[in-house]
Amino acid sequence: AQTVTQSQPEMSVQEAETVTLSCTYDTSENNYYLFWYKQPPSRQMILVIRQEAYKQQNATENRFSVNFQKAAKSFSLKISDSQLGDTAMYFCALPQGGSEKLVFGKGTKLTVNP
Amino acid sequence: DAGVTQSPTHLIKTRGQQVTLRCSPKSGHDTVSWYQQALGQGPQFIFQYYEEEERQRGNFPDRFSGHQFPNYSSELNVNALLLGDSALYLCASSQPGEGGNEQYFGPGTRLTVT
Repeated sequence: AQTVTQSQPEMSVQEAETVTLSCTYDTSENNYYLFWYKQPPSRQMILVIRQEAYKQQNATENRFSVNFQKAAKSFSLKISDSQLGDTAMYFCALPQGGSEKLVFGKGTKLTVNP
Repeated sequence: DAGVTQSPTHLIKTRGQQVTLRCSPKSGHDTVSWYQQALGQGPQFIFQYYEEEERQRGNFPDRFSGHQFPNYSSELNVNALLLGDSALYLCASSQPGEGGNEQYFGPGTRLTVT
């Protein structure tokens, strides 16, 4: 069964600085996707970034980028030029068995300080 | 274009009672998934509906049941409520795929069982 581990329950960063959130996972699939979702204090979860495992190039979405290391089963999220609006819970997620059933980590609470 | 909507926002029930939560998917989506998010945890997959049938199920007892209507909206029913059922219940919609499609989440229903 797929598992997702986020080892940092809480992190904080100063506005405009860079922060990296860690995620490791386990899967027996060879081709899969990985996601980072953001859940702001208002609760609605939104997709931050998606990575396809067969793609060597790391995904980037504006200030958000990932460091995907398939052999190590590591999928970290880097947020550059942190903004106050980045304050949220961040969840790493892995679809199970080629389906839309997402397995989530426990999340990292990120606080961006002014 | 309305996103995923859920009702009610909050609900307080007593142990042993039954509850029904409702979800309307994002326009153009025909797949609805339900997740339970306990306080301080990542969401846990309950089940998924597609074409009015339960397509996948997570590790939840039969007290949790659901339904999808022809307009793709969905209901989650929980019978014989336990204190441990207190959580945020999230609905997510997507288009069917091979696990790479973004899931759009609703704001959730906060259920408190006393």
